Amino acid sequence: NAGVTQTPKFQVLKTGQSMTLQCAQDMNHNSMYWYRQDPGMGLRLIYYSASEGTTDKGEVPNGYNVSRLNKREFSLRLESAAPSQTSVYFCASSEMSRRVDGYTFGSGTRLTVV
Amino acid sequence: TQLLEQSPQFLSIQEGENLTVYCNSSSVFSSLQWYRQEPGEGPVLLVTVVTGGEVKKLKRLTFQFGDARKDSSLHITAAQPGDTGLYLCAGAMDSSYKLIFGSGTRLLVRP
Repeated sequence: NAGVTQTPKFQVLKTGQSMTLQCAQDMNHNSMYWYRQDPGMGLRLIYYSASEGTTDKGEVPNGYNVSRLNKREFSLRLESAAPSQTSVYFCASSEMSRRVDGYTFGSGTRLTVV
Repeated sequence: TQLLEQSPQFLSIQEGENLTVYCNSSSVFSSLQWYRQEPGEGPVLLVTVVTGGEVKKLKRLTFQFGDARKDSSLHITAAQPGDTGLYLCAGAMDSSYKLIFGSGTRLLVRP
């Protein structure tokens, strides 16, 4: 099925460890996004990529880096995980020329940092 | 500070009842979307509204965009247990199409 695929679905890290969250979309969308979701706070934008080759900071970028590897893939890296980064992470994609279609989200990565 | 405020945060109602969820801001949005999210899944788009005063209907769901494009509401008629979930509003403020999400309304419809 067409959509956004995120891996892994679950991860437990120790404080200070690093990891990369993977995201791939097969809808030929130009724009991709990383959000984190915490209880009572909705979704907050970490980084986004308006098009292949560009990345920009969102609302909460500290502690994260991203790579837009190609048009399909957009990864999120935690260099030194902290307990405050315990959250559910969602990747999304969209086609900017068709705003009414909205975002397509992956099913999320649940990350726990101990 | 949340740019988009949703109310109520939680709502527990009996099957067959009506309800309204509100999404308010002091900022103007070029478009506003409503998503529904079920446990363990990502949000799924329900509707996009782009014109001030616009009303859209999706079966038992009615969405309205405020005249000044600062607020929106979602009304559900005769709620069913299948409507249970987290409802999120999201607004786009500029041409970059970054979406700003509200904090969500968690709806439980009891059989």
